[in-house]
Amino acid sequence: DAKTTQPPSMDCAEGRAANLPCNHSTISGNEYVYWYRQIHSQGPQYIIHGLKNNETNEMASLIITEDRKSSTLILPHATLRDTAVYYCIVRVAGNTGKLIFGQGTTLQVKP
Amino acid sequence: EPEVTQTPSHQVTQMGQEVILRCVPISNHLYFYWYRQILGQKVEFLVSFYNNEISEKSEIFDDQFSVERPDGSNFTLKIRSTKLEDSAMYFCASSEAGGNTEAFFGQGTRLTVV
Repeated sequence: DAKTTQPPSMDCAEGRAANLPCNHSTISGNEYVYWYRQIHSQGPQYIIHGLKNNETNEMASLIITEDRKSSTLILPHATLRDTAVYYCIVRVAGNTGKLIFGQGTTLQVKP
Repeated sequence: EPEVTQTPSHQVTQMGQEVILRCVPISNHLYFYWYRQILGQKVEFLVSFYNNEISEKSEIFDDQFSVERPDGSNFTLKIRSTKLEDSAMYFCASSEAGGNTEAFFGQGTRLTVV
């Protein structure tokens, strides 16, 4: 699975959009980009995933560049409860489905 | 909303003892996983399970570990002869299909080996 690079930490003001970047320059054509988050020591929580088109759901938006070498997760109106570690993971379609977690980005939402 | 449930939430065991961690995956899911997270470290993949057999395992998942789906609803992780370094959060996850569907995680079992 392709390796991802994320900044170790970011801050965001409450109510503002949080934009979390991820580089995955070695991504293959059949690899999806997944985002998960982990609040404190809870189980990782699925946020969103995509292949090449931008995606939006009730939690977030995922913007994938045209060359697919990077992506951005957008939390449109961050709240204090969005403080968590955010993981960007690339995952091959059709394989066993394992997720390889990196260190992620620790997002601190501040009042 | 369907969820993955894990029991117990916290297990304390003596070194050398066997433990069984239990999980109830989401009912229509076909793929099941165990992950672990040692305190302060990354979440690590242990094993995936599909069609009543292991489909992939990491190098962490040695002979000390085994998984089983004893009935239509439970998915268990057995750790034999526990060691101090097995202390960690263990997360179960399930997904409808493999790599292009999302996996949902349980809240974890904190295993403490003393």
